[in-house]
Order: sequence, then C-alpha cells, then structure tokens
Amino acid sequence: KNEVEQSPQNLTAQEGEFITINCSYSVGISALHWLQQHPGGGIVSLFMLSSGKKKHGRLIATINIQEKHSSLHITASHPRDSAVYICAVRLYNTDKLIFGTGTRLQVFP
Amino acid sequence: DTEVTQTPKHLVMGMTNKKSLKCEQHMGHRAMYWYKQKAKKPPELMFVYSYEKLSINESVPSRFSPECPNSSLLNLHLHALQPEDSALYLCASSPMGATRNTEAFFGQGTRLTVV
Repeated sequence: KNEVEQSPQNLTAQEGEFITINCSYSVGISALHWLQQHPGGGIVSLFMLSSGKKKHGRLIATINIQEKHSSLHITASHPRDSAVYICAVRLYNTDKLIFGTGTRLQVFP
Repeated sequence: DTEVTQTPKHLVMGMTNKKSLKCEQHMGHRAMYWYKQKAKKPPELMFVYSYEKLSINESVPSRFSPECPNSSLLNLHLHALQPEDSALYLCASSPMGATRNTEAFFGQGTRLTVV
C-alpha cells in the first residue's frame, strides 16, 4: 500500500464544474504539497500546507492533520486546468518528499 | 530567481555512453533532490542532498552517481544505463532547518532515452 493515496485516479469534467481531488496519507508528516504537472513534465508547486486551508485564485486546499487527509478544490474549472495533480508529503523531521499516485484531470469545453 | 534549471532538456544516449545531468538553483536552498518518473507514474525519489552531503539514497543502482559540488549545483552522472532507465529525471530543491516547511521548487526535467 502506498504511503500517499489519491482519489480519483482519473477525473473528467465539463468547463465550469467544481472539482475535488482527495489525498490520504499514512505517515507522520511536517507538510503536504499540492503540485501540478502538465504534459511535457514540468512540475509547479500550487500549495504547501501544514494546517488549515489556503486559497489562491480558483484553487483551494485544505488539510486535516488528525484525519491525515487533504483536499484540493478547483472552482469554475477551465480546460487549461487539465493536468496531473499530485499530492506530496514531507516526512516528519526529514527532507524526504514522497509523492502520491496523481490524479489526471481533463476539463472539456 | 525562483527557478530550478535542468540541462539538458532531452538526452539520447547509448548503453556504453557516459553522460551527466545538471541541476542548478540560486535560491539558497540546502536540500536538493533527484527523482525518476516513468510515463503515467508519479515521481520516485532517488537521492537527497542536505547541505551538500548525500542524506538519502533510495537503493539506486550504482550506474547512477549523484554529485553536489556546491550548494547551488547538483549533478547526476550516468554510466552503462539500460533501456529501462529511460524516463523523465526531475530535480527539486527546498529550504532546510527552521524554514523547512516552505515550498519545494521543481525543474522542468530531463527526458532521457537510452538506446
């Protein structure tokens, strides 16, 4: 079993829909990252969370440390949001970043 | 400057070749990482350097040899690779210590093909 699990693995949406991607982890962490990867490879960091909630434009990320769960929400989705979204956790008191399995999102016009 | 720069972007090499991948950052980050990513899979951690010292080696075969000559530069030396080593190789960096819990920054990757 992976230490970091994401769901769903694949997600298709119509433009304008509200999207939620979930991440659960089974290890002690000091921080959780939400990352975006477009075809071609480059990874962009969207959020780093150690508690609570963060918002940036149409993106919202939340984390519940007690339940070891985080969600990434996209409001008013757009085709340019199509990408792979990856949850990564920093293991507690280390510099080790472990990646989740990724969620492939496609938003159609 | 908030970039992690990787060169080359693409590399094709034969199984008897020796080549190197390069990663550079000028953000003062003292943790640097190499990841390997196969198609449609998440990145897998290979190595972590902390303060220019190798702190984590995820049982990577010796045909991959990392090097951190200074705090801004991370190399990955490749020798006698196999076709199954073809993948996207990603470099990342992040702060350490008291500022550890901040953003991690990733390079665009080097797409390696071993023929």
